[in-house]
Amino acid sequence: AQSVTQPDIHITVSEGASLELRCNYSYGATPYLFWYVQSPGQGLQLLLKYFSGDTLVQGIKGFEAEFKRSQSSFNLRKPSVHWSDAAEYFCAALPGGGNKLTFGTGTQLKVEL
Amino acid sequence: NAGVTQTPKFQVLKTGQSMTLQCAQDMNHNSMYWYRQDPGMGLRLIYYSASEGTTDKGEVPNGYNVSRLNKREFSLRLESAAPSQTSVYFCASSPLSTGATEAFFGQGTRLTVV
Repeated sequence: AQSVTQPDIHITVSEGASLELRCNYSYGATPYLFWYVQSPGQGLQLLLKYFSGDTLVQGIKGFEAEFKRSQSSFNLRKPSVHWSDAAEYFCAALPGGGNKLTFGTGTQLKVEL
Repeated sequence: NAGVTQTPKFQVLKTGQSMTLQCAQDMNHNSMYWYRQDPGMGLRLIYYSASEGTTDKGEVPNGYNVSRLNKREFSLRLESAAPSQTSVYFCASSPLSTGATEAFFGQGTRLTVV
C-alpha cells in the first residue's frame, strides 16, 4: 500500500543548531513529494516540493530537502534553526497521475533557547 | 484573494446530531480534499474530488458523506455524529485534476462531539 512514514514523532533542537527531519515513502513509482509546516492552531503551509530534476530542493524560510531514490527518502533540513521554526512538520506524497495526497503522521519540532 | 475558506471554525455537536462542514475555494482549482487531523495520526484523507461531479473515498470515509456542489464548493456531512468524529477537519484544493502541484489548505474546523 502507498504510504508515507515520518519515524520521529518529536524532535528537540537548540536554537542555532542544524535540523534534519526524516521522511520515507512507499510507492510503486516515485511520487511527487512535499513538506508542509503547521503552526499551532493554523492550517498547513507548503515549505517545498519535489517533482523531478535536481534532487536538492530549496524552499521557503531557509529549508531544503534532498530526494534520495535509493533510500525512498525525502528528508528536510535546515542549517540553523530559529525559535520561530517550532511547529509540526508533515511530509506528503502524491502518485504521478493521481489525486490521492497522503500525509505522514508528522514530526513535532521543539526549539530550545 | 481568500484562498480556501472553511465554515464554521468551531462546532460542538451532541451524539447523533448531523451537520455539514462547508468549504469553498476561489482559485479555480479542480481537485478538492477533506482531511481529519488527530494527535499522533497526522492528516488522514476522508474524501477527495478530482473535478466537479466526481468524488472518491480516502482512508477514513465511514460516517461521512461529501458533495461537490460546483467547482468552488466541497462540503462534508456528518449524518449522525459520534464522539470518535471529534477532530480538526481541513479542506484543501489543488489546481490540476492530475494533482501535479501542491494543495492549499483552509484554516480548519474544530469539531467536538459530546
